[in-house]
Amino acid sequence: IAGITQAPTSQILAAGRRMTLRCTQDMRHNAMYWYRQDLGLGLRLIHYSNTAGTTGKGEVPDGYSVSRANTDDFPLTLASAVPSQTSVYFCASRRDMNTEAFFGQGTRLTVV
Amino acid sequence: GENVEQHPSTLSVQEGDSAVIKCTYSDSASNYFPWYKQELGKGPQLIIDIRSNVGEKKDQRIAVTLNKTAKHFSLHITETQPEDSAVYFCAVVSWAGSYQLTFGKGTKLSVIP
Repeated sequence: IAGITQAPTSQILAAGRRMTLRCTQDMRHNAMYWYRQDLGLGLRLIHYSNTAGTTGKGEVPDGYSVSRANTDDFPLTLASAVPSQTSVYFCASRRDMNTEAFFGQGTRLTVV
Repeated sequence: GENVEQHPSTLSVQEGDSAVIKCTYSDSASNYFPWYKQELGKGPQLIIDIRSNVGEKKDQRIAVTLNKTAKHFSLHITETQPEDSAVYFCAVVSWAGSYQLTFGKGTKLSVIP
C-alpha cells in the first residue's frame, strides 16, 4: 500500500442495507476525514478523526458513523442506506492541521 | 462555521491564455489555504498552498495570491495547456471544534486547444 486506499471502488446498494466503506493509509497521519462529493456542492465533510480513538461530526453526518480503532484505518458505515446517500465518497488524511491532505481514489456509491 | 465561496463555477480559456479562480472565506483566523486539482475519476490532489504569513507563492506556471485583510485568495495559471483541464477546488483550514478543511464548490476549467 502506498498512500491512502479506499474500497470498494464502486458499489450498487439496495435501500435499507448496511454498508461499510473502507479507508486505509500507511503514512502514519494523525487526522483522517470522510467527504462526500455531489455535483454542484463540492466536497462536504461527513466525519473526521484527529487521532486514533477520537472522532467528530462534520457538516453532513446524519445517517453515517465512523470508528478509529487505530492510526491506519477509518471505516465509514451507512447503517441503513437511503437514495440521498448516492454520491462519490472520498477519504483523506493529513499529518497535522496545516499540512497537505491526501485523498483516496474515491468510492462511487449508488443506492437504489 | 467557515464559509468558502469560489468563482467562477466554470471557466473556458484558449490554450496559452491565463486562467484565474478566486475564493473568499469568512473566518479571519484561518491560516492555511490549499488548492486542489481533480481530474476525472480521481481524488483531489494538492497543486499549491499558501500560509497566512505569505502574500504570494509561485510554482512554475501556477501561482497563488492571498489578501488576508480582504479575506480572499486566488489561483493563477499562466500559459494554459489542455492537461490543465480539470476541476479546481480552493480550501481553507479553520477552527470548528477542531481544525477542519472546508472546500469551495469547485471550478471546472476547460482549456481549448
